[in-house]
Amino acid sequence: QKEVEQDPGPLSVPEGAIVSLNCTYSNSAFQYFMWYRQYSRKGPELLMYTYSSGNKEDGRFTAQVDKSSKYISLFIRDSQPSDSATYLCAMTPSGTYKYIFGTGTRLKVLA
Amino acid sequence: IAGITQAPTSQILAAGRRMTLRCTQDMRHNAMYWYRQDLGLGLRLIHYSNTAGTTGKGEVPDGYSVSRANTDDFPLTLASAVPSQTSVYFCASSAGGGQPQHFGDGTRLSIL
Repeated sequence: QKEVEQDPGPLSVPEGAIVSLNCTYSNSAFQYFMWYRQYSRKGPELLMYTYSSGNKEDGRFTAQVDKSSKYISLFIRDSQPSDSATYLCAMTPSGTYKYIFGTGTRLKVLA
Repeated sequence: IAGITQAPTSQILAAGRRMTLRCTQDMRHNAMYWYRQDLGLGLRLIHYSNTAGTTGKGEVPDGYSVSRANTDDFPLTLASAVPSQTSVYFCASSAGGGQPQHFGDGTRLSIL
């Protein structure tokens, strides 16, 4: 079993829809959680960074962490065609340099 | 614009050749990382450095070496390339352990 599981998609939604992207994990030591967006032939771009459980909002993006369920989510409101990309979750225990990434969910927002 | 610069952007290499991928950051981050990204496997850590002069092994270190002579540069060397090292290589940096990582745009390497 992988430490981090992420549905590969593709996930297709109409423009303006609310998108929910999710990752589950098995290591209860994970403390820091990140979401990245990756466009084709580009490097991952940091979207959200959260510590421990709770919610964090930044513009159209909301990140949620539920440590009791070992489940993290990224919500995108009012999705746009420019949001079409692959979204990666990542996580790491406190103070370490070894980050574990999900394999990514490919999102397509249709105009 | 501050960030990470990787070179070359792409390379085709004969098996058995030596190759060094370059990475430079201008954010004065202490930690730097090398990942490879393969379809279906995601990003896998090759080597990392938590500060200049110190390096550590990641998940897939075999066949690769790194050095960290100063804060800004973190080259990755393939001593004798093999076809299984065909991949997209990403360099990243962070202020410290557990801090968010920032990535370059990658080097696409094909070993024939």
